Amino acid sequence: SQQGEEDPQALSIQEGENATMNCSYKTSINNLQWYRQNSGRGLVHLILIRSNEREKHSGRLRVTLDTSKKSSSLLITASRAADTASYFCATDVRAGNQFYFGTGTSLTVIP
Amino acid sequence: NAGVTQTPKFQVLKTGQSMTLQCAQDMNHEYMSWYRQDPGMGLRLIHYSVGAGITDQGEVPNGYNVSRSTTEDFPLRLLSAAPSQTSVYFCASSLGMPGLKSGGYTFGSGTRLTVV
Repeated sequence: SQQGEEDPQALSIQEGENATMNCSYKTSINNLQWYRQNSGRGLVHLILIRSNEREKHSGRLRVTLDTSKKSSSLLITASRAADTASYFCATDVRAGNQFYFGTGTSLTVIP
Repeated sequence: NAGVTQTPKFQVLKTGQSMTLQCAQDMNHEYMSWYRQDPGMGLRLIHYSVGAGITDQGEVPNGYNVSRSTTEDFPLRLLSAAPSQTSVYFCASSLGMPGLKSGGYTFGSGTRLTVV
């Protein structure tokens, strides 16, 4: 079974608004990653957060990690139409050496 | 620097046919993986390799074989295609285990496979 699950499945917002999507996972992890996938393309790595980190920033992206709740959130501030994409979280399993992806959140930013 | 190159981009197979999806990277990455992406299922790990000569199974390995004779190449073989293998296949690579040696995976652009 998949390790991570994103919520919501779909999100539609106006340009300039903030977008928040969440990821929940089942077992202890070493690292969690977020990826973006534009329609018909491969995934692009956005950010990685380690299990001993609580928050990480990259440009307009902010990722938080709560290991006690086994959850992470991705915040995109001041969204743009170009942010329209699907967003996936990927988690490893503490004893493993590969990452497992969730089902994704489809974000639509309306100009 | 081409990154991760997948060929072909599109393929239609008849049930029972076999084929090989090619994946090559020119970044000297140790880790390579194959995922399939189906609607509503996200990406599921098929097989992965942590270096030349070393491969292992992921979540959904049945019906697929892999080999890793060189660092650069990681082909995925469909032994006897079935309609259930209709999917988009992605190859990904990383310098090492993400988080230890590298920030994350680099993905190819995918192969869209239809089995009729």
